[in-house]
Amino acid sequence: AQSVTQLDSQVPVFEEAPVELRCNYSSSVSVYLFWYVQYPNQGLQLLLKYLSGSTLVESINGFEAEFNKSQTSFHLRKPSVHISDTAEYFCAVSGNSGGYQKVTFGTGTKLQVIP
Amino acid sequence: DTEVTQTPKHLVMGMTNKKSLKCEQHMGHRAMYWYKQKAKKPPELMFVYSYEKLSINESVPSRFSPECPNSSLLNLHLHALQPEDSALYLCASSQDRFGLATETQYFGPGTRLLVL
Repeated sequence: AQSVTQLDSQVPVFEEAPVELRCNYSSSVSVYLFWYVQYPNQGLQLLLKYLSGSTLVESINGFEAEFNKSQTSFHLRKPSVHISDTAEYFCAVSGNSGGYQKVTFGTGTKLQVIP
Repeated sequence: DTEVTQTPKHLVMGMTNKKSLKCEQHMGHRAMYWYKQKAKKPPELMFVYSYEKLSINESVPSRFSPECPNSSLLNLHLHALQPEDSALYLCASSQDRFGLATETQYFGPGTRLLVL
């Protein structure tokens, strides 16, 4: 069984301040972790993913996440947020179930950037 | 082109209506998915098609009927829906190399459905 927990449902932060969105996972097999972002009234877009190798993964728009096996975490960070980062962020774990890919999403964290 | 398109963007229907949602991708992906997302909740998987065959039905009521006419198209036929079925319906696709867990799923913008 696999699951992810996002403890913070909302995170308000001032523009240009740093932010961390927390994600903890549970998985009995190999771990493949994703962060997706959902802007208002839109679908989900992949932000970054960890499959293997370097535990620090980066996105093109300044976000990064670090896979920490001992703490079973995959927290998302950005050193300086912009108004345009206001969105819902979903952490997800992927596995194979019955021959197909099954992605389990966390409950989401709404990032509110305050001008 | 990494785009998944969905039509219509919005849909309002009565409980006796029949309507269809459409999803299209031209990335050569062989797996396509329907998700349902209620307000302030994560997406929940409904159906998985792999190589145009229904692989997974996550115990979805029969008033939802999926169809995959070809490798690029995915439909969701709706009939006799209930108000609690109001939600954002998301389509996604992936390459589906034997259900590898490392695949990225690409999502469409969704159809926002309101059942009156």
